[in-house]
Amino acid sequence: QKEVEQNSGPLSVPEGAIASLNCTYSDRVSQSFFWYRQYSGKSPELIMSIYSNGDKEDGRFTAQLNKASQYVSLLIRDSQPSDSATYLCAVGGGGGADGLTFGKGTHLIIQP
Amino acid sequence: DVKVTQSSRYLVKRTGEKVFLECVQDMDHENMFWYRQDPGLGLRLIYFSYDVKMKEKGDIPEGYSVSREKKERFSLILESASTNQTSMYLCASSLGANTEAFFGQGTRLTVV
Repeated sequence: QKEVEQNSGPLSVPEGAIASLNCTYSDRVSQSFFWYRQYSGKSPELIMSIYSNGDKEDGRFTAQLNKASQYVSLLIRDSQPSDSATYLCAVGGGGGADGLTFGKGTHLIIQP
Repeated sequence: DVKVTQSSRYLVKRTGEKVFLECVQDMDHENMFWYRQDPGLGLRLIYFSYDVKMKEKGDIPEGYSVSREKKERFSLILESASTNQTSMYLCASSLGANTEAFFGQGTRLTVV
């Protein structure tokens, strides 16, 4: 059974600080990794994808991948109140046809 | 931009009714998925399809069926709605089984 684990939170971060969200996964052969943002009552929106070890930056967002430790993280710099949402980690590439495996999400609160 | 459209944003149905949830994607994606999302339980895969007329059970298929007669359309059917099927239903599509998935806006279904 493929598993993706996230701390459910809430994670409270002051406005302007760096928010750090973490995710671990169980399937060692996983090849693709994604972060989704989900506002309350809305559907998940893709914000980052990463496929190789290291860092990938896009604006205020940085995704970090360490396949040896089976660990993915998302850093949000200069956090804004609009970043308050639930962040879902998703993992793919374990060989099945059933799509990505999602974590249950971390609830992030940015305090003004 | 990929667009995944679900037929209804909110639905209220009575116990025992047959319910149809429709999903259409416009990016010629091979793979389509139906999830339900409940507080504390995360996204749970109901059914998925990797080709026209092909369908596979996900983790919680009981009480549901699906239809994929055309590549762009994937329908979820609740054969006899029950109150425990009250949930947010999310449709997604992806080019490959383990590539990024794009979600529709979600259908909030209430069964009374």
